[in-house]
Amino acid sequence: KAGVTQTPRYLIKTRGQQVTLSCSPISGHRSVSWYQQTPGQGLQFLFEYFSETQRNKGNFPGRFSGRQFSNSRSEMNVSTLELGDSALYLCASSQRPGTGTIGNTIYFGEGSWLTVV
Amino acid sequence: DQQVKQNSPSLSVQEGRISILNCDYTNSMFDYFLWYKKYPAEGPTFLISISSIKDKNEDGRFTVFLNKSAKHLSLHIVPSQPGDSAVYFCAASYMAGTALIFGKGTTLSVSS
Repeated sequence: KAGVTQTPRYLIKTRGQQVTLSCSPISGHRSVSWYQQTPGQGLQFLFEYFSETQRNKGNFPGRFSGRQFSNSRSEMNVSTLELGDSALYLCASSQRPGTGTIGNTIYFGEGSWLTVV
Repeated sequence: DQQVKQNSPSLSVQEGRISILNCDYTNSMFDYFLWYKKYPAEGPTFLISISSIKDKNEDGRFTVFLNKSAKHLSLHIVPSQPGDSAVYFCAASYMAGTALIFGKGTTLSVSS
């Protein structure tokens, strides 16, 4: 079956602009999470959505937001881009929330590479 | 403050030998631990996990050991293969949650 699909794969934005990244989870998966990976901070949790509701949010400023649609697809938005927002943004999906449930593996997409200039 | 630490940025091992990757955590509330492997330009791939009620979990060549009293876990790969060369991330979570707290990764190089 198809994996987690993220678009676009690569993009370049200018400081002050905003960006929207898209994620299509694995078919049947209803939980979607977003992560930011940078060389300095590593992989950091941004937020998690289930049934169109944000269940959890990481320690990021309000410029970072997201949403989930009724078909479980998700988008994340970063407004007023800063140079430090340059990163790999990863989307992950699982059947349902909770890592400890048997069979509820979290699968990652290949990510969207964002460069802010 | 880093809650999950992988203190060795890199590890080099010969093909056929054992690779041991280590991970320490500080938050005693974590009750589920996972290992992911990542190749360049790809997303992380799930390898193996363990809950805090166990001290060992095996899956083929991969075994994860958990020492709760030391807040330490390790991933053993036996035998190591060149295709295992990648960045390995340790992650921790609460079973009821999906947010993963990652370490900064260890780059494993397996030479033939």
